[in-house]
Amino acid sequence: AQSVSQHNHHVILSEAASLELGCNYSYGGTVNLFWYVQYPGQHLQLLLKYFSGDPLVKGIKGFEAEFIKSKFSFNLRKPSVQWSDTAEYFCAVNPYSGAGSYQLTFGKGTKLSVIP
Amino acid sequence: GAGVSQSPSNKVTEKGKDVELRCDPISGHTALYWYRQSLGQGLEFLIYFQGNSAPDKSGLPSDRFSAERTGGSVSTLTIQRTQQEDSAVYLCASSPGTGVGNEQFFGPGTRLTVL
Repeated sequence: AQSVSQHNHHVILSEAASLELGCNYSYGGTVNLFWYVQYPGQHLQLLLKYFSGDPLVKGIKGFEAEFIKSKFSFNLRKPSVQWSDTAEYFCAVNPYSGAGSYQLTFGKGTKLSVIP
Repeated sequence: GAGVSQSPSNKVTEKGKDVELRCDPISGHTALYWYRQSLGQGLEFLIYFQGNSAPDKSGLPSDRFSAERTGGSVSTLTIQRTQQEDSAVYLCASSPGTGVGNEQFFGPGTRLTVL
């Protein structure tokens, strides 16, 4: 079964610092990759997703992620964080079976606290 | 338009009681998922419905858990004889289908506390 590892449980940054959150997955086949974000008191919402094509994907609010197939990684980045980025971030994997893939396997999440 | 809604938002129950959690997916979405988020854990897949197909129940942790989806829309997750380890946030998500590119839209969750 596939698994997803997020390296950092809690990251604390000052505003304007750069962010990189690590995500590695274990699955040898084709995958669809996602980053979801949960702001305090809000629903999980999609930040960005990768299915195919350019391995550098851009999402909402200035976030981007790079899929490196050889490293089984899909790290999330943002060049300059804001206080409003304080949230919990989840990496998720969806192995593509060709017959229609569905369930997501999530990492345990990384809490990001941005200090004004 | 309306998103995924779940009720109740919070549920406190005593050990051994049965509980029902409800999910209203986005109108027109054929796929519906239930996940569980326990303290310190990621989201754990429980069950998946797609149209009129038989549900994928492979994620249900025990036979105390069951779910149904009536009329291809509303879904109910039932936990019988609740245990303290069932305490978690139960999340429902829906998507237009299951093809590549189908984003899952999540509801606000039901926080279940078993005393």
